[in-house]
Amino acid sequence: QKEVEQDPGPLSVPEGAIVSLNCTYSNSAFQYFMWYRQYSRKGPELLMYTYSSGNKEDGRFTAQVDKSSKYISLFIRDSQPSDSATYLCAMSITSGSSNTGKLIFGQGTTLQVKP
Amino acid sequence: EAQVTQNPRYLITVTGKKLTVTCSQNMNHEYMSWYRQDPGLGLRQIYYSMNVEVTDKGDVPEGYKVSRKEKRNFPLILESPSPNQTSLYFCASSLSWQLAKNIQYFGAGTRLSVL
Repeated sequence: QKEVEQDPGPLSVPEGAIVSLNCTYSNSAFQYFMWYRQYSRKGPELLMYTYSSGNKEDGRFTAQVDKSSKYISLFIRDSQPSDSATYLCAMSITSGSSNTGKLIFGQGTTLQVKP
Repeated sequence: EAQVTQNPRYLITVTGKKLTVTCSQNMNHEYMSWYRQDPGLGLRQIYYSMNVEVTDKGDVPEGYKVSRKEKRNFPLILESPSPNQTSLYFCASSLSWQLAKNIQYFGAGTRLSVL
C-alpha cells in the first residue's frame, strides 16, 4: 500500500464548478500537508500548505485536513479554465517537532476545466 | 531572476553509460532535492540535501548518487543507467528544510531516455 493515495482522474468539470481533490495517507507521522499545481511541461509550484487539522482558505482555494481520518482535500471554487493542471498533494515526515526534509507526493490528479 | 536551472533538458543515452544531470540555484537556498516523475506514480523523491555536505536518501535512491560540495549546485549522477531510469527528473530548492514553511522552487525538468 502506498503511503499517500490520490485518485489520478482525469477530472473534467465545466467552468464555474466546485472541484474537490482528495488524498488519503497511512503514516500518522505526516504533519505538514501541501498542495502543488503542475501545468503541462512545467515543474510543480506550491499552491497551499497546512499544518493542523481544519480548513485554510486562500482566495478560491481551500485546503482541508482531517488527521483523525488521514484525509486531506483541496477545494477550488468557481473553477476557471486556467485551473486546468495536475494537482499533487504532498506530505512531509516529522522527526520530533521538526520536518526531516523527506517529502512524499501523491500520484497527482489531472483536472480539466471546460469553458 | 530567481531560478533553479537543470541541464540538459532532454537526454537520450544507452544502458551503462555514466551521466550527470546538473542542477544549480541562485537563491542561496539551503535545501535541494531531486525527484523523478512517472505516469501513475506521481513525484518520488530520490535524494535531498539539507545543506552543504549533508545528503540523505529519499524514497527511490537506488541507482543514483548525489553530491553537495557547494550550496548552489546539486548534481544527480547515474553511474550505470538502466532503462527503468527512463523518466522525467526535477530538481528543487527551498530556503530551508522546513518545507511547509518555505516555498520549494522546481526546475523545468530533464527528460531522460535510457535505451
